[in-house]
Amino acid sequence: NAGVTQTPKFRILKIGQSMTLQCTQDMNHNYMYWYRQDPGMGLKLIYYSVGAGITDKGEVPNGYNVSRSTTEDFPLRLELAAPSQTSVYFCASSYGATYGYTFGSGTRLTVV
Amino acid sequence: DQQVKQNSPSLSVQEGRISILNCDYTNSMFDYFLWYKKYPAEGPTFLISISSIKDKNEDGRFTVFLNKSAKHLSLHIVPSQPGDSAVYFCALDGGATNKLIFGTGTLLAVQP
Repeated sequence: NAGVTQTPKFRILKIGQSMTLQCTQDMNHNYMYWYRQDPGMGLKLIYYSVGAGITDKGEVPNGYNVSRSTTEDFPLRLELAAPSQTSVYFCASSYGATYGYTFGSGTRLTVV
Repeated sequence: DQQVKQNSPSLSVQEGRISILNCDYTNSMFDYFLWYKKYPAEGPTFLISISSIKDKNEDGRFTVFLNKSAKHLSLHIVPSQPGDSAVYFCALDGGATNKLIFGTGTLLAVQP
């Protein structure tokens, strides 16, 4: 039972580069989320999806894009990386928020 | 505008004693409240939850209390164990949004 799988675990990007953070879940959850966690801060919602083909912005969407072509996959795209995007990124999935989220183990991204 | 606050960034407790973690919120719209636990280099894991129609929920050593009039949530761990050392986040659900809003976290250290 893999749950939520995130790749890569670590990445260093140069300013202006782009990359995609991968997220896959095998629990057939409709809801999927991307959060970022900065030091000393809580988790901030970047984007979320309520099902395949449906995505919406969260609290801090600028500089990111997402797509949801299948129930299982919810990749997060960073275009033109900036130092402010240095953070730990968590993907999560759920049947609904009251059921609790299942989180991936995170991707630690550094932009230099 | 921070809707969810955990005012204690850290807490140190002796093994066997009670740990009390607190969370305050500003908006009465929240109707489901959760606690997550996070170890270093791992994603958060769901711990315990409570709906707004209750004021207490227990699960083994963990009890969550909700005071709606004071907009205050707390997590009690009794007895505390060294393995409980982690960051604890409260998370609130606004219902129809199916999105959780997280607090900033409290680092609990249980001393042997």
